[in-house]
Amino acid sequence: EAGVAQSPRYKIIEKRQSVAFWCNPISGHATLYWYQQILGQGPKLLIQFQNNGVVDDSQLPKDRFSAERLKGVDSTLKIQPAKLEDSAVYLCASSLDVAGTGELFFGEGSRLTVL
Amino acid sequence: AQSVTQLGSHVSVSEGALVLLRCNYSSSVPPYLFWYVQYPNQGLQLLLKYTTGATLVKGINGFEAEFKKSETSFHLTKPSAHMSDAAEYFCAVRFTQGAQKLVFGQGTRLTINP
Repeated sequence: EAGVAQSPRYKIIEKRQSVAFWCNPISGHATLYWYQQILGQGPKLLIQFQNNGVVDDSQLPKDRFSAERLKGVDSTLKIQPAKLEDSAVYLCASSLDVAGTGELFFGEGSRLTVL
Repeated sequence: AQSVTQLGSHVSVSEGALVLLRCNYSSSVPPYLFWYVQYPNQGLQLLLKYTTGATLVKGINGFEAEFKKSETSFHLTKPSAHMSDAAEYFCAVRFTQGAQKLVFGQGTRLTINP
């Protein structure tokens, strides 16, 4: 079974530029998550989708971050314009269940460096 | 407020020694509890979880954790450390009241000394 796929693995941009990250979850997983992991910290949830609907985006900086999951499968996270403090690893995860007891499967992450 | 606290950002043990990584949460209602491991440049992998039932749960790679409601804790242990256990460990909690997002602790980096 293929895991969660993310691209690109690494991205370096200058502040005020834009960047997009792509995630393809495990086939059949209804729930998709984007987490931001800043160096030395635990992952912080940015947005959670169930199928193509948003369940939670309370910690998504909506003035610069956007995410979509148009067909309920893969997802894109965009940052525009980027700030220095956006330097982090962006982790995508998916899960089969919606009750909250199941395992989240994580991709390897997309490491963003903003100069 | 609902929160997750991992005591000790770095833990160092000798190979063969006991591993103990601490996790406490704040909630009046027992949540669902998870431990994840992250190896360098990789995503997180589930070690074990507690949802209901037996409070001592066993996971992969010889790890286990015990849910103690009275102490609001979910500490991770392994009787004998192996060099391959060196990694970052995250406690995660899904609170069953309010916003039910999965909240991660800040992580504990485990170093194994030969």
